[in-house]
Amino acid sequence: GNSVTQMEGPVTLSEEAFLTINCTYTATGYPSLFWYVQYPGEGLQLLLKATKADDKGSNKGFEATYRKETTSFHLEKGSVQVSDSAVYFCALSRNSGYSTLTFGKGTMLLVSP
Amino acid sequence: DSGVTQTPKHLITATGQRVTLRCSPRSGDLSVYWYQQSLDQGLQFLIHYYNGEERAKGNILERFSAQQFPDLHSELNLSSLELGDSALYFCASSPIGASYEQYFGPGTRLTVT
Repeated sequence: GNSVTQMEGPVTLSEEAFLTINCTYTATGYPSLFWYVQYPGEGLQLLLKATKADDKGSNKGFEATYRKETTSFHLEKGSVQVSDSAVYFCALSRNSGYSTLTFGKGTMLLVSP
Repeated sequence: DSGVTQTPKHLITATGQRVTLRCSPRSGDLSVYWYQQSLDQGLQFLIHYYNGEERAKGNILERFSAQQFPDLHSELNLSSLELGDSALYFCASSPIGASYEQYFGPGTRLTVT
């Protein structure tokens, strides 16, 4: 079946540091890949997505590239801000039919000034 | 704001009771998905409805049921509640033709005492 594995957190960084959160997946076929972010006390928000191999999703300075050969979709940001402190979820979904999302366990990011 | 609304925001009830959670999808979206988020299980898919019909079931207990009404809002019914049902319950909706892209509501926090 489908599964998503994320690095365990919390990830603790100082403001303006470089961020990488690793995500690898197992899936049949060619899934779509997503990063969702959950700020404290809020629901999940779609951060970025990639629907096919070598696609790069980007939003708000965050980027992730769909790597089929390594089955990975690592999240990166060049310079984090305190306001980026949140829980980040990697997820996958089939590209056809009625798709459900399979989530990783989430990685908490804490950015200090 | 994702455009998905959920009520109530918080719910506190006793074991053995029954509650109903409500979700209204984004305008134009026909699909509604329900998820449960707990500390030990992470984010788990419960059930998916499309235009009033059940399309997929995930890890949904027999004590739980859902439906989607003609106006496309959905309700998740939880009965014979147990302490372990305490969790955040999210609903999400997806655009027509892009069922792999889901937008989440703010969630309902259920506490069973």
